Amino acid sequence: DAMVIQNPRYQVTQFGKPVTLSCSQTLNHNVMYWYQQKSSQAPKLLFHYYDKDFNNEADTPDNFQSRRPNTSFCFLDIRSPGLGDAAMYLCATSASRGPSYEQYFGPGTRLTVT
Amino acid sequence: KQEVTQIPAALSVPEGENLVLNCSFTDSAIYNLQWFRQDPGKGLTSLLLIQSSQREQTSGRLNASLDKSSGRSTLYIAASQPGDSATYLCAVPYSSASKIIFGSGTRLSIRP
Repeated sequence: DAMVIQNPRYQVTQFGKPVTLSCSQTLNHNVMYWYQQKSSQAPKLLFHYYDKDFNNEADTPDNFQSRRPNTSFCFLDIRSPGLGDAAMYLCATSASRGPSYEQYFGPGTRLTVT
Repeated sequence: KQEVTQIPAALSVPEGENLVLNCSFTDSAIYNLQWFRQDPGKGLTSLLLIQSSQREQTSGRLNASLDKSSGRSTLYIAASQPGDSATYLCAVPYSSASKIIFGSGTRLSIRP
């Protein structure tokens, strides 16, 4: 089945220690998104890639970076995690960019910062 | 600016009851509206997507309606079961950008 896969499902990192979260997709979609969801809050978009074109949300901290080496994979790098970065990180894809295209979500990676 | 609101934030009902979850949005110029389910500590599962031209969508015991003019959507769950306990989020695409605006969800608890 075509799907969005996130690894690992659970990640524990230490305060200030860089961490990378992974997302892959078999849908061959052009657009990949990273959302952050803190406890009891709505998911919030961090950035998205349209093909190789990186689009950062204005309020995404510089501590968050992303890489998309090919169509199938996208990585979220947190350079110096703080306690406030503990959250669920959701990856999503869509066939193209724009409001008419449905986004498909992965199962998420829950990040704990100790 | 599009805002999405879900009230109530939490709801508890006995098993077997039919129930309605509410979602409202401020900008009626939407392309579609999507309902998601989220179990504790898990990712999002898409339940239903209603296109702007549709008034409702059904999947099993779930029925979602859309009234663009009033800026409202409802998710109707028939014959609720304890396994329906989860947080339900609605979301609409932002009109001029590639992102979804989510409501903060309704946490549903079905009592056996």
